[in-house]
Amino acid sequence: DGGITQSPKYLFRKEGQNVTLSCEQNLNHDAMYWYRQDPGQGLRLIYYSQIVNDFQKGDIAEGYSVSREKKESFPLTVTSAQKNPTAFYLCASTETGGANTEAFFGQGTRLTVV
Amino acid sequence: AQSVTQPDIHITVSEGASLELRCNYSYGATPYLFWYVQSPGQGLQLLLKYFSGDTLVQGIKGFEAEFKRSQSSFNLRKPSVHWSDAAEYFCARLPEVGNEKLTFGTGTRLTIIP
Repeated sequence: DGGITQSPKYLFRKEGQNVTLSCEQNLNHDAMYWYRQDPGQGLRLIYYSQIVNDFQKGDIAEGYSVSREKKESFPLTVTSAQKNPTAFYLCASTETGGANTEAFFGQGTRLTVV
Repeated sequence: AQSVTQPDIHITVSEGASLELRCNYSYGATPYLFWYVQSPGQGLQLLLKYFSGDTLVQGIKGFEAEFKRSQSSFNLRKPSVHWSDAAEYFCARLPEVGNEKLTFGTGTRLTIIP
């Protein structure tokens, strides 16, 4: 079945360490997204990519980095520069083009800094 | 900046009562609007979407939404809620085809009382 897979579901990180969250999709979607979710703040856009080898900063990109070397993969690295990384992270992809546009979401990764 | 506003952080309704969740967007040409629902610790599921045409759109689980350009609103409604509708609801906006910056409101948490 087609969909988006995020791994791992839970992730623990020590302060000062970088950590990479995985997002893979087999929907053949061009656009992919990373969101951060905190209670009461909704989904805030970190980075998005409209095409392979290209990506744009979202509203809260500081302390994060991404790559888009393959259409199906959009990993997110949470760097040590991110001051408050504990959150729920959601990856999404969209098929765009008029009435077919719809975002599909992974099940999320909960990152905790210990 | 283009944005989505959900003025109600938390709404409580009785089972069987009607529901309306508010969503306002900042003005832009041809907005693409969505409503998503999220159960705790899960990804988001699309309820319905609007691109053009009929301003009253029907979605899954008995939900509908009405696009009102004059009020910049896209409110979600359901005539009679069920206990299983308790969740968090997000309104989202895609500015236009070719600009894939998908942004979300802060969400409305819905509680259902017996």
